[in-house]
Amino acid sequence: SQTIHQWPATLVQPVGSPLSLECTVEGTSNPNLYWYRQAAGRGLQLLFYSVGIGQISSEVPQNLSASRPQDRQFILSSKKLLLSDSGFYLCACGAGVYNEQFFGPGTRLTVL
Amino acid sequence: TQLLEQSPQFLSIQEGENLTVYCNSSSVFSSLQWYRQEPGEGPVLLVTVVTGGEVKKLKRLTFQFGDARKDSSLHITAAQPGDTGLYLCAGEVYKLSFGAGTTVTVRA
Repeated sequence: SQTIHQWPATLVQPVGSPLSLECTVEGTSNPNLYWYRQAAGRGLQLLFYSVGIGQISSEVPQNLSASRPQDRQFILSSKKLLLSDSGFYLCACGAGVYNEQFFGPGTRLTVL
Repeated sequence: TQLLEQSPQFLSIQEGENLTVYCNSSSVFSSLQWYRQEPGEGPVLLVTVVTGGEVKKLKRLTFQFGDARKDSSLHITAAQPGDTGLYLCAGEVYKLSFGAGTTVTVRA
């Protein structure tokens, strides 16, 4: 079964600074990968998904971008963080006929 | 507007009590998933239901998919503190969408 790694676990960044969050996957090849953001204790907002290397689909216009430089690596970036970028960021791998999501441990981002 | 509406938003019960949380939509889903998330962690898949009227049991948890495949419920029997968490439902129309979740607190 697949294992999703995310780092860092927590991050505190000033407004206007850049961002790079990394997600790597083990135990599967050519996975569908997803980035979600979660407000405190609430549901998940899909930000980006990727079906292969270099293929990125954006779900909402925002201050963020994503890249997939390798089959099992998915990166979330920003050139200049906003206060509204604070949140819990989750990387996930989709599996099976029903696209069941397997999540990483998440990154808690606080923008000050 | 949420594609999937979950209710209640919060639920606090005593250990040993039963509880039910609901997931409703006006859309028809080919499948519906339930996840549980503990604070500071990623959600974990509990079950996927795919057939209208389907009932699945996972120990003390019972999941039901509505006949029309527009709604689902999760029933927990004799809740324990370990059942505490955020319960999320997710369904796919043209993409997978998550409800806002129900926060369940089971007091010892």
